[in-house]
Amino acid sequence: EAGVTQFPSHSVIEKGQTVTLRCDPISGHDNLYWYRRVMGKEIKFLLHFVKESKQDESGMPNNRFLAERTGGTYSTLKVQPAELEDSGVYFCASSQVGANYYEQYFGPGTRLTVT
Amino acid sequence: AQRVTQPEKLLSVFKGAPVELKCNYSYSGSPELFWYVQYSRQRLQLLLRHISRESIKGFTADLNKGETSFHLKKPFAQEEDSAMYYCALSSGGSNYKLTFGKGTLLTVNP
Repeated sequence: EAGVTQFPSHSVIEKGQTVTLRCDPISGHDNLYWYRRVMGKEIKFLLHFVKESKQDESGMPNNRFLAERTGGTYSTLKVQPAELEDSGVYFCASSQVGANYYEQYFGPGTRLTVT
Repeated sequence: AQRVTQPEKLLSVFKGAPVELKCNYSYSGSPELFWYVQYSRQRLQLLLRHISRESIKGFTADLNKGETSFHLKKPFAQEEDSAMYYCALSSGGSNYKLTFGKGTLLTVNP
């Protein structure tokens, strides 16, 4: 079974540019989470989708970040315009709804570098 | 606000020695606690969940509500245990968002 996939694995952009990160969850997983780890800090929650609906977006830093999950399948996280402090590793995770809802399966992450 | 503290950034032990990775939390309700592990060049993955009370790969963790701790222990460390370990907390309910500690890098020396 394919795990959670993320694209790209690494992105280097200049301040002010736009970047879109993509996450494909495990098939059948209705829960999808985005997290971010900034250098030297802990992994922090950004938002949570249940199918195509945003359940909790309390961790989104500001309105430069926009997440979508069209049709309840893959999700995108767009940063526009990017700032230096947005650099970090962005993780996506998915989980089932049901018996094992608590176990989140993580993707490999996208390393974003804003110069 | 919920918070997870892992006081040790680095922990180094010899093979066969006992290991304890510390985790303390602050949360006003009844949290669920987890340990996640990331081996070199692999993804973050769930190791333990406090409710299950299982031993995974020889590791155990007991939730101590009085001390608000959830330390991870193994009596005899193996070289393959070398990894980054994250303690995480969830408030449960319909949103299992995780609050992570900063992680402890465990190195088991031969």
